[in-house]
Amino acid sequence: DTGVSQNPRHKITKRGQNVTFRCDPISEHNRLYWYRQTLGQGPEFLTYFQNEAQLEKSRLLSDRFSAERPKGSFSTLEIQRTEQGDSAMYLCASSMTGAGLETDTQYFGPGTRLTVL
Amino acid sequence: GNSVTQMEGPVTLSEEAFLTINCTYTATGYPSLFWYVQYPGEGLQLLLKATKADDKGSNKGFEATYRKETTSFHLEKGSVQVSDSAVYFCALRKDSSYKLIFGSGTRLLVRP
Repeated sequence: DTGVSQNPRHKITKRGQNVTFRCDPISEHNRLYWYRQTLGQGPEFLTYFQNEAQLEKSRLLSDRFSAERPKGSFSTLEIQRTEQGDSAMYLCASSMTGAGLETDTQYFGPGTRLTVL
Repeated sequence: GNSVTQMEGPVTLSEEAFLTINCTYTATGYPSLFWYVQYPGEGLQLLLKATKADDKGSNKGFEATYRKETTSFHLEKGSVQVSDSAVYFCALRKDSSYKLIFGSGTRLLVRP
């Protein structure tokens, strides 16, 4: 068990560019979550997948954001036409297959820090 | 709406002091409550949780009791160590969703 991994760990981009982040969950986990954390704040939920299906999306996820999990394993989060307000830490988490809501425990990755200049 | 409020930090304590970090929540229904910890340079880790009223979560000497009457889930530890220095996040999960709703975090600094 190597935990949740995220790549890249840091990304610096210019305003208007597109960026894509990758998350590899713990191998047997079928649920995968994306959160965003700005400095001095707690993580905010963006979206969540169960297998390939995207089951819930936050209103924070504007049209410029898209997330995919094509084969139910790794996931990508793409931000198009980045803005300075997108600068944040993007966190991925995963949880165990088959666990009911009460026993669901989310395990977090180290995050990808995005800086938009 | 659903939300979590934590005491502002930083909280600075001497080693072996008693710790309390306050957390209150607003939610309908019967949410589950969590404390996560983020050590410097590391990802969020689940510290403890409680899924129903009067449940006590505990781990590594930390405890928190789910108090529905006061909508609180305060984190306590009887004797802190320098290694407990970290940012602590209180969170809730509604009984109808898998998403976590976090507070803004409380930084704890323990001095030798």
